[in-house]
Order: sequence, then structure tokens, then C-alpha cells
Amino acid sequence: EAGVTQFPSHSVIEKGQTVTLRCDPISGHDNLYWYRRVMGKEIKFLLHFVKESKQDESGMPNNRFLAERTGGTYSTLKVQPAELEDSGVYFCASSPATGGNTEAFFGQGTRLTVV
Amino acid sequence: AQSVTQLGSHVSVSEGALVLLRCNYSSSVPPYLFWYVQYPNQGLQLLLKYTTGATLVKGINGFEAEFKKSETSFHLTKPSAHMSDAAEYFCAVSEGNRDDKIIFGKGTRLHILP
Repeated sequence: EAGVTQFPSHSVIEKGQTVTLRCDPISGHDNLYWYRRVMGKEIKFLLHFVKESKQDESGMPNNRFLAERTGGTYSTLKVQPAELEDSGVYFCASSPATGGNTEAFFGQGTRLTVV
Repeated sequence: AQSVTQLGSHVSVSEGALVLLRCNYSSSVPPYLFWYVQYPNQGLQLLLKYTTGATLVKGINGFEAEFKKSETSFHLTKPSAHMSDAAEYFCAVSEGNRDDKIIFGKGTRLHILP
């Protein structure tokens, strides 16, 4: 069974440009999460989808970040326009159910560098 | 608010020696506790988790952790380190049934000395 897949694995863009990150969760997992790790800091929660609905987006840093999950399958995270402080590793995770007693499976992450 | 503190951003142990990675948490509700590992060029992998019940939790690759409520700790141990254990380890907490959002510590990079 395929795990959580993230595209691209690396992205280098200039300040002011737009970047779209994609996450394909494990098939059948209703829950999809985005996290981010800025250099030297902890991994921080960005948002949580249940199917196509945003359950919790309290971690989104500002309105330059837009996440979507049309049809409740894959998700995209768009950063527009990108700033230097957006550099970091963006992780996606999925799980089949809520309640904390199920495992969230993480992807390999997308390393975003804004120059 | 929940938080996680990992003592030591880098820890070095000799191959065959005891591995001890420290984690303390704060939570206003009974926590669910996790240890994740990230090997080079790979994603985060769950090592073990505590939800309820037995406070000594065994995970993959010979790791275990003990939930100590009185000390608000969830330290990770392995009796004998192997070269393949070199990785970054993350302690994490969630509110379990109330909230699946995971709060991570800053991570500890484990180095294994030959």
C-alpha cells in the first residue's frame, strides 16, 4: 500500500513567487494534516482537513497560505506570494480516524527554500 | 496550552551503550504522547505512543518509553544503541479524543559513535 506522498520533494523559488505543494494521503484516510518545520524550530501544526472540510486551520500563519482538498482526496498548499520566512520543510500526514488513538502517517516532506 | 520540551538538541552515545532521550510535556488534559523518528531523507515514522493503560510502552526497533505523570515525562530509552539508530527523534503530545492536533518538541539528533 502506498504511503503519504508529497510533491515536489524540493522547491527553490524567489521571494514574491507562488508555490503549490501537493499531498496525496493514504487511500481511504479522511483526515489530512499539514505541518511545517522552519529551520531550527519545532514542527508546527498548520491545519487539519476531514474529507474536504477544514476542521482546524488555527496554525495557518497568514492569508498568503491557502490550503484546499477538493473532493476529499489529495490536498494542495499554496503560498502566494512567498516570503523568505516561509522557507522550511512542509509535512503532510493522514489518518483513517480521529480520537488520537490511530496513527497519523507522515510523508517525506517538501523542502521549500525561498531566496 | 500544551507544550513539549526535549532536553538536548544533539545527543551522542557509543554503539552498544544505553540511549536516553529526555522529554517533558505540559498538558491541561490527560495527554496522548508520541515519539517519532526521522531517518535521513525519510519522513516521520511513529516509534511508539502512549494513550491509556500501561505506562511502559514498547515500540519498534527495541525502543521503549515510560509515561510518568508525576514527573510529566515521557523519556525514550533503548538498552543498546546500534549505528542504524542515528536519526532525529521527536517527542510529541496531543489531547487525544479532544483534538488530534500534534504538538512537537524541537527534536533531538542522536549520533552513534563507533
